[in-house]
Amino acid sequence: EVQLVESGGGLVQPGGSLRLSCAASGFTFSRYWMHWVRQAPGKGLVWVSRLNGDGSSTIGYADFVKGRFTISRNNAKNTLYLQMNSLRVEDTAVYYCARGIDSSGHVSFDYWGQGILVTVSS
Amino acid sequence: QSALTQPRSVSGSPGQSVTISCTGTSSDVGGYNYVSWYQQHPGKAPKLMIYDVTKRPSGVPDRFSGSKSGNTASLTISGLQAEDEADYYCCSYAGYYTLLFGGGTKLTVL
Repeated sequence: EVQLVESGGGLVQPGGSLRLSCAASGFTFSRYWMHWVRQAPGKGLVWVSRLNGDGSSTIGYADFVKGRFTISRNNAKNTLYLQMNSLRVEDTAVYYCARGIDSSGHVSFDYWGQGILVTVSS
Repeated sequence: QSALTQPRSVSGSPGQSVTISCTGTSSDVGGYNYVSWYQQHPGKAPKLMIYDVTKRPSGVPDRFSGSKSGNTASLTISGLQAEDEADYYCCSYAGYYTLLFGGGTKLTVL
């Protein structure tokens, strides 16, 4: 069974940093694109970033996180990361990790984690 | 990058059909056959319903179908059922290694 479990969220002050993790199981992690998607409270889904299976392809970031967030992965640990620096109040959201589908994994996602809440507030 | 444009809400009675539109530009929806649709029930993670404009993942009922014309993609749900009531989001490749979601549409089954 495919499982994605996010961790590392919590309350942080504006300007602070957090590192989210997404532990994957039930599939060959290194074969799949992985994405981060966020959802502010009561708002819609927003794509954040993506990374291919072996990290060899161009990483993608939404404009609003470029230079502040870094996506990475450790295939030996079956874990995806999102390092978030210079956090802003508007980064407050539930952050989901999602697996890219087999055929077009760079643009569509078939499994999602349960999400982890990040709150940026003073 | 602005979100793709979706109607805020649509509604239909059980058994009827509804269509949710997703309008972008030639730089996203119109430029690539990479539109996907997600269903999200309150408090739950999203679920993939359609990918690559028209393809349906295994396990998704064939009542759900996708299409695209120009810069507008559409999700059609036929034979509406109570459990279809949810938020629906479109998503498109937007070039330069980025993706863009729509603002979401709340489907109410009357």
